[in-house]
Amino acid sequence: DSGVTQTPKHLITATGQRVTLRCSPRSGDLSVYWYQQSLDQGLQFLIQYYNGEERAKGNILERFSAQQFPDLHSELNLSSLELGDSALYFCASSKTGLSGANVLTFGAGSRLTVL
Amino acid sequence: GQQVMQIPQYQHVQEGEDFTTYCNSSTTLSNIQWYKQRPGGHPVFLIQLVKSGEVKKQKRLTFQFGEAKKNSSLHITATQTTDVGTYFCAGPGYSSASKIIFGSGTRLSIRP
Repeated sequence: DSGVTQTPKHLITATGQRVTLRCSPRSGDLSVYWYQQSLDQGLQFLIQYYNGEERAKGNILERFSAQQFPDLHSELNLSSLELGDSALYFCASSKTGLSGANVLTFGAGSRLTVL
Repeated sequence: GQQVMQIPQYQHVQEGEDFTTYCNSSTTLSNIQWYKQRPGGHPVFLIQLVKSGEVKKQKRLTFQFGEAKKNSSLHITATQTTDVGTYFCAGPGYSSASKIIFGSGTRLSIRP
C-alpha cells in the first residue's frame, strides 16, 4: 500500500456520460498530480495541484477538470466521455510539488472503460 | 514541445542477460528520476539523479546521468524474472518546473 488512495478502482460507463475520480494523497503530502495511461502507453501528465491551488497543467482536455480540496484530497472530473477516454488514470502525490525534484508516490489507479 | 524519449520501446532478454534502457530529453534537465511499473501495477520510484555525470547503483541496477544533463541510462546486470516491467525516466517540465514529464518507457520481458 503506497498510502495514496484512489477510488473507484474500476469504472465502466457509456459515451457522453460524466464521471468523477477521487484521490487521497499520502499523509503529509501537499501536492497531487494526475496522469493518464492509455493501453500500453506512457504516462501523460494532466494537471498538478499544490495545497489547493492549480500549479501546472499538461495537455488536459477541456472536457476534463480537477480540483484539490482543503483536506487535500483531489477529484478529476471527466465529462462528455468518448471511447478514447478509456484509460488508466493515476493520481500521485509528493511532499511539496514546488520543484521538479519531487518524488512521486502513485496510487493504484482508476481504470475507466467507456463503451 | 518538450519530449522525453526512451529506447528501446521493448526488450526481451534471456534470464541472466544484461539490459539497458536509454532516456533522452530535448531539453536540459535539473534532475532525472526513474520509476518501475510492474505489469498490472503502478509506477514505483527507484532513484533520482541530480549532478552532471552522476552514477548511482542499487544492487544489480546502475543509473547514469549524462554530462550535458539531457540523457540518462539504466543498466541491469544479470536480469531476473523479478525485473519484468516497464521502466520510465521522468524529469521536470521545461515550461513549468513543478510538473514531472515521463518518458515513453521501456518494457522489459524475460525468458526464464
